[in-house]
Amino acid sequence: DAKTTQPNSMESNEEEPVHLPCNHSTISGTDYIHWYRQLPSQGPEYVIHGLTSNVNNRMASLAIAEDRKSSTLILHRATLRDAAVYYCILVTGTASKLTFGTGTRLQVTL
Amino acid sequence: DVKVTQSSRYLVKRTGEKVFLECVQDMDHENMFWYRQDPGLGLRLIYFSYDVKMKEKGDIPEGYSVSREKKERFSLILESASTNQTSMYLCASRPNGIPPYEQYFGPGTRLTVT
Repeated sequence: DAKTTQPNSMESNEEEPVHLPCNHSTISGTDYIHWYRQLPSQGPEYVIHGLTSNVNNRMASLAIAEDRKSSTLILHRATLRDAAVYYCILVTGTASKLTFGTGTRLQVTL
Repeated sequence: DVKVTQSSRYLVKRTGEKVFLECVQDMDHENMFWYRQDPGLGLRLIYFSYDVKMKEKGDIPEGYSVSREKKERFSLILESASTNQTSMYLCASRPNGIPPYEQYFGPGTRLTVT
């Protein structure tokens, strides 16, 4: 499985934008980039995914580098409820399996 | 909303006991998964099922078995629980389709084996 690299932790102030980076230099052409997050004491939840183009949804935006070797999850205005572990995952087009790394723990402070 | 429910949030069992963890999803998803989550190791796939009565081993199937008799229900079985199976167990489901649709996770069962 192609591997992703994320910082162990990041901090943000409430109401400010947060950019969570992910490196995936060995990504293949059929790999989708997925982001999940896990709030305390809950199972992971899907945030967003993309293939080549930048993507927006109600939760976040995903910016994908032109060479696809890195991506950035953007939370436009962090709230205390966004404090979670964020996972960047590569998913091959026809595969079911998700391989979770250790993710980035995001702390949001007032 | 998609809902994945797990039979217990917390469970304490003794070494050697047979343990059943149940997972039910209400969205008619074809695929269901069992993961365990341990500090520093992230989530690891134990088994998954892509149809009723069909199963495939994940990365760490040793010591576990699964059952899927109905589409909505996927059970994880620990035939003889051991202390190294103390963990958080997470169930997930996903529909078929291209691109690969997101997995929906249950709240997890924290199992302690003493």
